[in-house]
Amino acid sequence: EIVLTQSPGTLSLSPGERATLSCRASQSVSSNYIAWYQQKPGQAPRLVVYGASSGAAVFPDRFSGSGSGTDFTLTISRLEPEDSAVYYCQQYGSPPRTFGQGTKVEIK
Amino acid sequence: EVQLVESGGALVQPGRSLRLSCTASGFTFDDYAMHWVRQTPGKGLEWVAGIGWNGDSIYYADSAKGRFTISRDNMKKSLFVEMKSLRPEDTALYFCAKDALRWNTPENGYLDSWGQGTLVTVSS
Repeated sequence: EIVLTQSPGTLSLSPGERATLSCRASQSVSSNYIAWYQQKPGQAPRLVVYGASSGAAVFPDRFSGSGSGTDFTLTISRLEPEDSAVYYCQQYGSPPRTFGQGTKVEIK
Repeated sequence: EVQLVESGGALVQPGRSLRLSCTASGFTFDDYAMHWVRQTPGKGLEWVAGIGWNGDSIYYADSAKGRFTISRDNMKKSLFVEMKSLRPEDTALYFCAKDALRWNTPENGYLDSWGQGTLVTVSS
């Protein structure tokens, strides 16, 4: 199965700054089938990006995804306090679908 | 608005069985594959099982094969998982999740709606 490694483990930034979250796959992800989810404490994950770069409608365009092959990135261009959460990447190109271990984004 | 509500989580002894349920609303349930995903502090998110929109296609994670059985009742807009021979490592928050694409195979695809989860604790 494809192993996804996310970095950094924790990102601590100030409001207005740019957050860059990395997701690296152990092998190439078919059709760049990568999704990103946001999870806040006590809540279910919410879909942020799918297909590596397509944004879910409920999220503002401050959130963007990019990448291909084995390296993918979620960028939050101007952090706001409500962006504080854990973000997970998931590949769905090769069964079984697998998740990264998450990156925690903290707002100073 | 899509709503997924899980139930059935409990404290159970190792080796016992448990059945989880998920009731759906806000979308055409029988058009979509459905999944169970679990979350633990140690292992993070782990996809457990998926079932096609009509119940014909079923896939399991290796950790669930032979012990878990996923099923659905489209008339009742409900998803189930029967878990047998439970182990301490099955302790987790179990989420019900909806596939994003209509009529998609449960083998792949991303998940666009999740329930709040139901907690399963396996301990003596």
